[in-house]
Amino acid sequence: EPEVTQTPSHQVTQMGQEVILRCVPISNHLYFYWYRQILGQKVEFLVSFYNNEISEKSEIFDDQFSVERPDGSNFTLKIRSTKLEDSAMYFCASSEASRLQYFGPGTRLTVT
Amino acid sequence: AQKVTQAQTEISVVEKEDVTLDCVYETRDTTYYLFWYKQPPSGELVFLIRRNSFDEQNEISGRYSWNFQKSTSSFNFTITASQVVDSAVYFCALTLNDMRFGAGTRLTVKP
Repeated sequence: EPEVTQTPSHQVTQMGQEVILRCVPISNHLYFYWYRQILGQKVEFLVSFYNNEISEKSEIFDDQFSVERPDGSNFTLKIRSTKLEDSAMYFCASSEASRLQYFGPGTRLTVT
Repeated sequence: AQKVTQAQTEISVVEKEDVTLDCVYETRDTTYYLFWYKQPPSGELVFLIRRNSFDEQNEISGRYSWNFQKSTSSFNFTITASQVVDSAVYFCALTLNDMRFGAGTRLTVKP
């Protein structure tokens, strides 16, 4: 069964550093998403991406965040200058038009 | 406003008990989808069920069942004869263009 993959599974970085979280969505999907889950809290929507542009973003998704689909398979989330409060699990998801979003296993980001 | 409320923060039951996890949602849209996900201690989100707003038929899958009632904007989840492996955080979610999650209910099933 096709699945969404994410790398790395765990990333540790120092405050102020840039990180790039990578996702490979399911190959025939057209809609891509990033979500964040701070430890012990609910999953929060960050951004959706369709047709090579952002279609929606939440108030969390400020100027330090960016997304890109650099080639036909990857979908990346970049955090330019990480802060301690960016420590969280980041989930990528993809969907066809059906709104059934398939989630990846997540990347745990730890900012020290 | 689009919102999902899971009023039960934590539930603890003994194995073999039945347990119902509540989910109440708010949306002005007439077309939407509702989901339940399980998040075990390992952290991944495991898809359990999707329901669209036009399908109010209740569903049963093994020990799991779901009760969708548009009249009360609820989409409750029942586990029958709970097992220790059911211990996890369960999230209800509503999707329009993005997915809105409830705060989650932590279920602990004791042997």
